[in-house]
Amino acid sequence: AQSVAQPEDQVNVAEGNPLTVKCTYSVSGNPYLFWYVQYPNRGLQFLLKYITGDNLVKGSYGFEAEFNKSQTSFHLKKPSALVSDSALYFCAVRVPFSGGYNKLIFGAGTRLAVHP
Amino acid sequence: GAGVSQSPSNKVTEKGKDVELRCDPISGHTALYWYRQSLGQGLEFLIYFQGNSAPDKSGLPSDRFSAERTGGSVSTLTIQRTQQEDSAVYLCASSSGGTSYEQYFGPGTRLTVT
Repeated sequence: AQSVAQPEDQVNVAEGNPLTVKCTYSVSGNPYLFWYVQYPNRGLQFLLKYITGDNLVKGSYGFEAEFNKSQTSFHLKKPSALVSDSALYFCAVRVPFSGGYNKLIFGAGTRLAVHP
Repeated sequence: GAGVSQSPSNKVTEKGKDVELRCDPISGHTALYWYRQSLGQGLEFLIYFQGNSAPDKSGLPSDRFSAERTGGSVSTLTIQRTQQEDSAVYLCASSSGGTSYEQYFGPGTRLTVT
């Protein structure tokens, strides 16, 4: 079955330290991968995507993600966390289905808490 | 430019009543999605539109839920005979399709069934 998993419900990190939010996927064919962020009482915002090319993708707010085909992972990273990065983060993968259509399926989300 | 908009932003309704939730996608976006998010939880896929047709309705939780899209633009999600377990934030997203696939989300409608 095609799926995406975020193994950590919550990640805690001190401000200024590097952060990693993990994501693994299972899809047939070449994966199209995405990260979204949801701040409290706000809608989801697109952060970055991997379609093809360089395995290290840079996105909004200083975030980046590394695509690793052998480990089927797409972990979100930031070199130096800010308190304002505290939010709910979702990983997503494109899933093709019959008729030539596509949709995104989302992981369960990881809550990032950055402490001063 | 304008993003995805949803209305109402909040809706409180009594158990058993019908509700309609509206989504205005980004102009020109052919794909439209509805999701449900319970408090602090992940996204539950409900339905996907490509143009006016819905090739994937697999996520609708029961026959009380229906959705339509007219003119390839505005979509309405209708919940009949609401139940307390329907209380959630209903999110709409649109996408331009092509090779991008990223979805742009609206602010959501918070539905509370009392």
